[in-house]
Amino acid sequence: GENVEQHPSTLSVQEGDSAVIKCTYSDSASNYFPWYKQELGKGPQLIIDIRSNVGEKKDQRIAVTLNKTAKHFSLHITETQPEDSAVYFCAARLYSGGGADGLTFGKGTHLIIQP
Amino acid sequence: DAGVTQSPTHLIKTRGQHVTLRCSPISGHKSVSWYQQVLGQGPQFIFQYYEKEERGRGNFPDRFSARQFPNYSSELNVNALLLGDSALYLCASCLEGLETQYFGPGTRLLVL
Repeated sequence: GENVEQHPSTLSVQEGDSAVIKCTYSDSASNYFPWYKQELGKGPQLIIDIRSNVGEKKDQRIAVTLNKTAKHFSLHITETQPEDSAVYFCAARLYSGGGADGLTFGKGTHLIIQP
Repeated sequence: DAGVTQSPTHLIKTRGQHVTLRCSPISGHKSVSWYQQVLGQGPQFIFQYYEKEERGRGNFPDRFSARQFPNYSSELNVNALLLGDSALYLCASCLEGLETQYFGPGTRLLVL
């Protein structure tokens, strides 16, 4: 089955600086890669996703890049703000329309924005 | 529009008991998935249901079962609870034919 590795487990950055979180996946057939933000006591919230036919996607301060050859994808957050502090999860999925497979998640990155 | 809703929010059970968790998907979403999130880890896939049929199952024992109702809401049942079943149980829904999953707030289960 799919295996997703996520690094680092904890990331502390100064407010206004950029943060980068990296993930690798094992199954070359995976074709959908979402990123979720989870705040304390809440469920994961989708912040951005990318499909395997796209190399990069951007939404305001957030961007995701995908390297299919190397089987890794990264989350980039620019101009970090205190409200960006949370746990971030990457995930991978083989999606074939029938929806038979669930998401495989990384172990999470605790992002801390220092004022 | 209301998001994915789950009930109860918190639950305390003792070993050997059974538990039923409930989920209502976003209006119009016909697929529901269940995940278990142990403290400090990422969510792990348990089941996916679409149009009342099981479409996928993760690596969980037969003590875990689920079903989906005609209104697309879903129940997750866990029998013979173990201490290791203590976790946040998350429900996610998605639109037919699309892969984006939206999560509810979860039910926190504590087994004593």
